Amino acid sequence: AQSVTQLGSHVSVSEGALVLLRCNYSSSVPPYLFWYVQYPNQGLQLLLKYTSAATLVKGINDFEAEFKKSETSFHLTKPSAHMSDAAEYFCAVSFPGGYNKLIFGAGTRLAVHP
Amino acid sequence: GAGVSQSPSNKVTEKGKDVELRCDPISGHTALYWYRQSLGQGLEFLIYFQGNSAPDKSGLPSDRFSAERTGGSVSTLTIQRTQQEDSAVYLCASSLFTVTDTQYFGPGTRLTVL
Repeated sequence: AQSVTQLGSHVSVSEGALVLLRCNYSSSVPPYLFWYVQYPNQGLQLLLKYTSAATLVKGINDFEAEFKKSETSFHLTKPSAHMSDAAEYFCAVSFPGGYNKLIFGAGTRLAVHP
Repeated sequence: GAGVSQSPSNKVTEKGKDVELRCDPISGHTALYWYRQSLGQGLEFLIYFQGNSAPDKSGLPSDRFSAERTGGSVSTLTIQRTQQEDSAVYLCASSLFTVTDTQYFGPGTRLTVL
């Protein structure tokens, strides 16, 4: 069965510091992987996705993630945090033959302090 | 262009009443998904439509939940005899047909069952 684990329900960083949000997946078939962001009282917005092309994926707002098959990981990074990055981040997986339905991790709430 | 819209944005109902939640997908998107976001269960898949048919209803939690889609466009999620555990934010997403296409999410309907 496919599943997603996000390590750390809350992450706090200083403005300008590196952001690292961890995501590990379990899948019996090659997965597609996604990171979504949810700002307060808003819907989900796609940051980036991996669909079996380049393993290093660049997304919006300088976020990027690297697919590491050997580690079954898809961690999200950003070199320098902005106050506006404070939000909840969700890692998700879908898989061929699964109608593209997304299986989400529990989410990580990112706080950015001055 | 217009994004995914959902109505109502908020719905408060009494236990035992029926509710209908509406989703208008992005024009031309053939795939439509319903998800539920709750404190206890996180983000979970409910149902997937391709056109007007629903090949995957595996996420519907009970037979009190049903959904339909008409004209390959608007979808309605109906919850009969609502229970307090149905309180959640119900999210709708749409995408083009192919499996790796991005799902675009609506702002959600917050359902509160008293």
